[in-house]
Amino acid sequence: AQTVTQSQPEMSVQEAETVTLSCTYDTSESDYYLFWYKQPPSRQMILVIRQEAYKQQNATENRFSVNFQKAAKSFSLKISDSQLGDAAMYFCAYRSAWGNKLVFGAGTILRVKS
Amino acid sequence: DGGITQSPKYLFRKEGQNVTLSCEQNLNHDAMYWYRQDPGQGLRLIYYSQIVNDFQKGDIAEGYSVSREKKESFPLTVTSAQKNPTAFYLCASSRGDRSTYNEQFFGPGTRLTVL
Repeated sequence: AQTVTQSQPEMSVQEAETVTLSCTYDTSESDYYLFWYKQPPSRQMILVIRQEAYKQQNATENRFSVNFQKAAKSFSLKISDSQLGDAAMYFCAYRSAWGNKLVFGAGTILRVKS
Repeated sequence: DGGITQSPKYLFRKEGQNVTLSCEQNLNHDAMYWYRQDPGQGLRLIYYSQIVNDFQKGDIAEGYSVSREKKESFPLTVTSAQKNPTAFYLCASSRGDRSTYNEQFFGPGTRLTVL
């Protein structure tokens, strides 16, 4: 069974600075998708960024980018120019290319200091 | 606007009662999911349905039941057999097409508290 591990329960960043959230996963499959979701205090889950495993190029979405290392099974999220609105719980998630189920990590709380 | 609605937002239940959480989507998605979220833990899959009239158990299905009579609706019943039902419940949907990202879209959630 696949597992997703987020080793940082909490992180803090100063406004306008850059922060990186870590995620590792375990799978024997070669084709899969990886996601980062954001859950702000409203608790609404919002998709931040996604990556296909067969793509070597790292995904970027405005201030959000990932560092996908397939051999190391690592999928970190970098947030540049952090803003107060980035404060939230961030979840890393895995989905097999052959299924619909998402496997989530335990989450990382990100605090942004002004 | 397309989206997923969950009701109620807050739900209180007495021990021994069954309660049903509503989830409706107008995204024309085939697949729907129920997750449970506890403090300090990620989301855990309770049940999922890939098509009308069909559903499968997730990782923590004991004490829960679902139905999928309509494409738009996937209600979750928390039965009295669920030992610790107090949690935040999230419903999600996706196209079900495995050839693409097929990301899941989430509803706003229901907070269930057992009194």
